Amino acid sequence: SQQGEEDPQALSIQEGENATMNCSYKTSINNLQWYRQNSGRGLVHLILIRSNEREKHSGRLRVTLDTSKKSSSLLITASRAADTASYFCVRLANAGGTSYGKLTFGQGTILTVHP
Amino acid sequence: EAQVTQNPRYLITVTGKKLTVTCSQNMNHEYMSWYRQDPGLGLRQIYYSMNVEVTDKGDVPEGYKVSRKEKRNFPLILESPSPNQTSLYFCASSRTGSRTGELFFGEGSRLTVL
Repeated sequence: SQQGEEDPQALSIQEGENATMNCSYKTSINNLQWYRQNSGRGLVHLILIRSNEREKHSGRLRVTLDTSKKSSSLLITASRAADTASYFCVRLANAGGTSYGKLTFGQGTILTVHP
Repeated sequence: EAQVTQNPRYLITVTGKKLTVTCSQNMNHEYMSWYRQDPGLGLRQIYYSMNVEVTDKGDVPEGYKVSRKEKRNFPLILESPSPNQTSLYFCASSRTGSRTGELFFGEGSRLTVL
């Protein structure tokens, strides 16, 4: 299976602290994206990082990608109670021209930020 | 407003009764896909479509059918639903068929099969 691991499965922090979530995968990728999901709602795109990029920033979000280790991390700085949600990494496989549409989700990290 | 619309949002049905979950997007996106979300398993891709009349299997296609006759619509068909298809279903779309970028998700359809 191409499903990788997300770590930790659950994370509980206080407001103002930083939250770091990790995602590992098994096969080479074209890009990797992070999404957020509020309790049973649709997922919302946060950030996309391509396989030739190592780091991207968007507001309080920082994403890194290490293709040699097949891993990515999402850092949320100065967390807020409103950041409480599940976070998923999504990989687009690098299939040499085929299967560009096949996406693989991690199982997600449940983040709880206490006020 | 740019959106992906799924219907119905909630459905309780019985084993073997054919049902269709509709998905429509108003962003002229080429790429559309279906996922199911189950506790402990995350989201798994059922089918995807790179463009009109082009569909392909995801990781868990068994028991499902799809069609893409128009660019905006991508219905998910359960010909003979079974209890193991009880799940939360999401439809998503994306602008481009290759280098698949940002996905826009619907709000989900919660299906219970008795």
